[in-house]
Amino acid sequence: SQTIHQWPATLVQPVGSPLSLECTVEGTSNPNLYWYRQAAGRGLQLLFYSVGIGQISSEVPQNLSASRPQDRQFILSSKKLLLSDSGFYLCAWSGGVSISYNEQFFGPGTRLTVL
Amino acid sequence: GQQVMQIPQYQHVQEGEDFTTYCNSSTTLSNIQWYKQRPGGHPVFLIQLVKSGEVKKQKRLTFQFGEAKKNSSLHITATQTTDVGTYFCAGGNYGGSQGNLIFGKGTKLSVKP
Repeated sequence: SQTIHQWPATLVQPVGSPLSLECTVEGTSNPNLYWYRQAAGRGLQLLFYSVGIGQISSEVPQNLSASRPQDRQFILSSKKLLLSDSGFYLCAWSGGVSISYNEQFFGPGTRLTVL
Repeated sequence: GQQVMQIPQYQHVQEGEDFTTYCNSSTTLSNIQWYKQRPGGHPVFLIQLVKSGEVKKQKRLTFQFGEAKKNSSLHITATQTTDVGTYFCAGGNYGGSQGNLIFGKGTKLSVKP
């Protein structure tokens, strides 16, 4: 069966520090991968998605970047965190070719607080 | 860009009352998905609707997709405390080779026992 891992579960970082969040998927190959951010009490904002190794699409301009160095690994990074980067970061994957028609499976999330 | 609007933002009900959340798009959707996020948890897929006018049921949950494929609703009959959480709709569009999935902002349901 497929599983998705995210770490760390919680993170407190000072403003201006770097960030690296990692997401890995097991039990499937060539998944579509996604990074979402959820501000407190708010909806899901799609940050990045990837349909293959080295292929990253950015949905909104921001202080973050993403990379996919391996088929089932998705990394979210920042060189210098801002206060506004605080939130709940969720990684997700879906199978198949279509992003629209395939259900997304979410990881447990990382709760990031920037102080 | 394309948006999927979801109302209401919050809903407080007494246990046993019904609950409905609505999802609207200004453009025709290819499909719609519904997810549930329990407090402190991550979204979990509930169902997908693809056909115009489609209705699907899961126990006390009824999902509808509008005839014009621009709106959808989720109705819960006789809510229970286990229904607490945020319900998201996600509309699919036809754009691009893979399409896209746009999430609504969600409806947060609280149930008073």
